[in-house]
Amino acid sequence: QVRLVQSGAEVKKPGASVKVSCKSSGYIFTHYVIHWMRQAPGQRLEWMGYIFADSGYTRHSQNFRDRITISRDTSASTAYMELSSLTAEDTATYYCARDSIEAPGTYFDYWGQGALVTVSS
Amino acid sequence: DIVVTQSPLSLPVTPGEPASISCRSSQSLFYSNGYQYLDWYLQKPGQPPQLLIYLASNRAAGVPDRFSGSGSGTDFTLKISRVEAEDVGVYYCTQSLETPYIFGQGTKLEIK
Repeated sequence: QVRLVQSGAEVKKPGASVKVSCKSSGYIFTHYVIHWMRQAPGQRLEWMGYIFADSGYTRHSQNFRDRITISRDTSASTAYMELSSLTAEDTATYYCARDSIEAPGTYFDYWGQGALVTVSS
Repeated sequence: DIVVTQSPLSLPVTPGEPASISCRSSQSLFYSNGYQYLDWYLQKPGQPPQLLIYLASNRAAGVPDRFSGSGSGTDFTLKISRVEAEDVGVYYCTQSLETPYIFGQGTKLEIK
C-alpha cells in the first residue's frame, strides 16, 4: 500500500535549520510530485513548495524566500525539506503529500503523518 | 495570489441531517482543459488531512457517496447528504490552479 513516512519531531533553537524527510513506498516514486505543507497550532494549512521526483524541479512559496530547500534522493524514494533561519513562527507540524505528475490538477491523495517542529530558546 | 474563503467557519449538525460548506475563490478556477481546480480535504482530530473531492466534483477513492462537490468559476460547495459521527473534523477547500496553493480558513463540523 502507498505510504509516506516522515521523520520524527524536532526541537530547534532560533536561527537553526531543520531538515524533514519523507520516505515513500508502495508506488513508483518518480511518477509523482512531492509537496510540503505546514500547519501552525490552530491554524490553516500552508503550502510551502514541491519537487518533481523525476527531474528534481522545485518551486516554493515566496513566503519562505530563500530559507527553504526541497530535494530528493530517488534511490531512497525520499524527499527532504530543509528550512533555515528558524524563528518561533516556524513552530508547526510539517506534512509531505504526493500529487500525480500526469493527472490534471494538483491534489494530494496521500499524506505523511506529519512532523512537529518546535522552535524555542 | 488566488485566495479562497469558506463559510461557515463552524457547523454544528445533528446526525442524519445534511450539511453544506461554501468556498468562494477570488478568481475563476476554470482551466482550459475543462476542469475546475478546486479540491476539498477533511482533517480529523490528530490526523493529517485526507482528500475528499478533487477537481470540484470527483470523489477520491474510498470516500463515501454521501459526500459530493459541485460548483464552477468562483463558487463551490461541499455537501454531506446525511452527517455521521465519523464526519467530525475541519474541512478545507483549496485552489490548485496556480501557486501558491492556498487553503481556506477551515470549517469545523461538530455533532450536536
